[in-house]
Amino acid sequence: DTEVTQTPKHLVMGMTNKKSLKCEQHMGHRAMYWYKQKAKKPPELMFVYSYEKLSINESVPSRFSPECPNSSLLNLHLHALQPEDSALYLCASSQKAGWGTDTQYFGPGTRLTVL
Amino acid sequence: AQSVTQLDSHVSVSEGTPVLLRCNYSSSYSPSLFWYVQHPNKGLQLLLKYTSAATLVKGINGFEAEFKKSETSFHLTKPSAHMSDAAEYFCVVTFNTNAGKSTFGDGTTLTVKP
Repeated sequence: DTEVTQTPKHLVMGMTNKKSLKCEQHMGHRAMYWYKQKAKKPPELMFVYSYEKLSINESVPSRFSPECPNSSLLNLHLHALQPEDSALYLCASSQKAGWGTDTQYFGPGTRLTVL
Repeated sequence: AQSVTQLDSHVSVSEGTPVLLRCNYSSSYSPSLFWYVQHPNKGLQLLLKYTSAATLVKGINGFEAEFKKSETSFHLTKPSAHMSDAAEYFCVVTFNTNAGKSTFGDGTTLTVKP
C-alpha cells in the first residue's frame, strides 16, 4: 500500500475561521511533509517532520500550525488565513527525511479557498 | 546550491508521436533525480527516479529517462504519446545533505492532440 490520504478534499473558510487539514499514511514512513501549491506552479515546501519532530519550517507564517500526533498522522491547523493562502495543500511521506534517494509519496491534496 | 531547470514550459505532441521533456540540473554533489506527473487537481505521482545505479531508468506507463552527468541532464522520453499522458510534469532533484528538501523544476505542461 503506497497511499497517502488527505481530508477534506475541498475546504472553504472565512478569514476568521479555524480549520484543520489531515494527512495519513500507513507505509511505516518516518518523514512527512506539507507543501503548498498555487495554480501553474510547482509545490513549495512548508514543513518537514522527521520521527514526529519538526525538522524544517520554511519560514511559514504562524497562521499555519503543523502537528504530528504519531508516525502515521500529520495535521495542519489553520487560523486567520488570508485570501492569498488559497491553494492546493499537498501532504507527502517518505521512509526517512534527509535521504536523497528516498521517494516522496504524495496525497491527492486539499483544495483550500479562503474568502 | 542546487537547481533544476525544465527547458520547456509547454510541449505539444500528437497522439502516437514521441515525447521529450527536458530537464537540466546543477549541483556540487551527486544528485538523486525524479520525474513526477500531476494530472489536474490531483497529487503528484512518481514516474521514475535515478539514484546512481543504471543511467537509463525505466518508469511507469512507458516513460524512461537517461541520466547524463557530462550534460547535467535528465530528460524524460516516451516513444508514443497517449491522450492520458496530458498532464503537468515536474523534474525534482534531492541530495542526502538536504535533510529532506527537494528542488522542483517549474514544470512542463504536456498537451496531446488527437
